Amino acid sequence: GDSVTQMEGPVTLSEEAFLTINCTYTATGYPSLFWYVQYPGEGLQLLLKATKADDKGSNKGFEATYRKETTSFHLEKGSVQVSDSAVYFCALKKAAGNKLTFGGGTRVLVKP
Amino acid sequence: ETGVTQSPTHLIKTRGQQVTLRCSSQSGHNTVSWYQQALGQGPQFIFQYYREEENGRGNFPPRFSGLQFPNYSSELNVNALELDDSALYLCASSLGDRDTPWANVLTFGAGSRLTVL
Repeated sequence: GDSVTQMEGPVTLSEEAFLTINCTYTATGYPSLFWYVQYPGEGLQLLLKATKADDKGSNKGFEATYRKETTSFHLEKGSVQVSDSAVYFCALKKAAGNKLTFGGGTRVLVKP
Repeated sequence: ETGVTQSPTHLIKTRGQQVTLRCSSQSGHNTVSWYQQALGQGPQFIFQYYREEENGRGNFPPRFSGLQFPNYSSELNVNALELDDSALYLCASSLGDRDTPWANVLTFGAGSRLTVL
């Protein structure tokens, strides 16, 4: 079946450091890929998405590129802020499917 | 526009009891999905409703059931609660059409945290 694997956290960084969260997936066909963020006490918010190979999703300084050859969708940000502290989820959705398949989440803690 | 609202935010039940969780969709949305998020894990798809009909189901037993109402709000019902049902239950709404009810981006609520003792 479909699956998403993320690097385990927590990831602890200093402010202005570079952030990378690895995400790889297993799925047949050409799924759409997503990054969601969950701040403490809140629901999931869509951070960015990509719907086909080589697409780059970007939002709020975060970027991820859909790499079909490596089945990856790694999340990056060049300079993190304390407000980026949250749990980040990578997810996929098949073209003919009606559900999101999530990875286990990666907790990021940014210290001043 | 209002987002997705869920109630209650927290509740505690004992094994064997039944629980009903409620969700109000974002204005204009006609599709509702429910997810279970166990502590420290990613959300797992329970089921989806489109225009009051179930439109897909994940790997959950029949004691997990749902409803969608004409105003597109929704309920998740869980019977015969087990300890492993303790989790954050997330509702998400989206705007779909007849051919692709799942097509658009999901907007999630803050969730209902259920503890089963």
